[in-house]
Amino acid sequence: DTAVSQTPKYLVTQMGNDKSIKCEQNLGHDTMYWYKQDSKKFLKIMFSYNNKELIINETVPNRFSPKSPDKAHLNLHINSLELGDSAVYFCASSQDWSVRYEQYFGPGTRLTVT
Amino acid sequence: ILNVEQSPQSLHVQEGDSTNFTCSFPSSNFYALHWYRWETAKSPEALFVMTLNGDEKKKGRISATLNTKEGYSYLYIKGSQPEDSATYLCAFKKYGGSQGNLIFGKGTKLSVKP
Repeated sequence: DTAVSQTPKYLVTQMGNDKSIKCEQNLGHDTMYWYKQDSKKFLKIMFSYNNKELIINETVPNRFSPKSPDKAHLNLHINSLELGDSAVYFCASSQDWSVRYEQYFGPGTRLTVT
Repeated sequence: ILNVEQSPQSLHVQEGDSTNFTCSFPSSNFYALHWYRWETAKSPEALFVMTLNGDEKKKGRISATLNTKEGYSYLYIKGSQPEDSATYLCAFKKYGGSQGNLIFGKGTKLSVKP
């Protein structure tokens, strides 16, 4: 069974569209994250939720809105997509927010905006 | 601005060689250091989470040490095998600041030739 899953794996869309990426974890973890792998291949934190509550919101355009219907799911909705949003987005989870536990990553979603 | 530096950027070794690489991070307000292994076309997988100065952790042929006073961690691979080929990421969290906010380095890309 996949521990952290993301859908879709690939997403190609046009500028101006709105799209969502879904993430689910079956590990019973309290904390979930969204990362963006930028053009220089850095992994940068975007958001973190602990038990459905937002605890990290880095400097991310407000076109990006995370939604956590329950602690096993953290979806990422992006409005008015721009060319610069093209990247690989990774979801991750950890036992709690303390960072003393490892993070488990999903397979990534490659978003291409044309 | 927190910087996590990893060196070297890439490394090519022969099967059977032992190798090591470095992660440097700010030494003040240390909280935790993570090491991840990231194979091409897969997602990062946790190797170690280290929290105490002087920590040494081992998993099979891979081990890591931590020096929080001088701000560095070493990752060692003994008797490298082709399946060790991957990018090795370290990630740092300082005390305080956004909970769960890991700062990732760019990684060291290891290639092991048979």
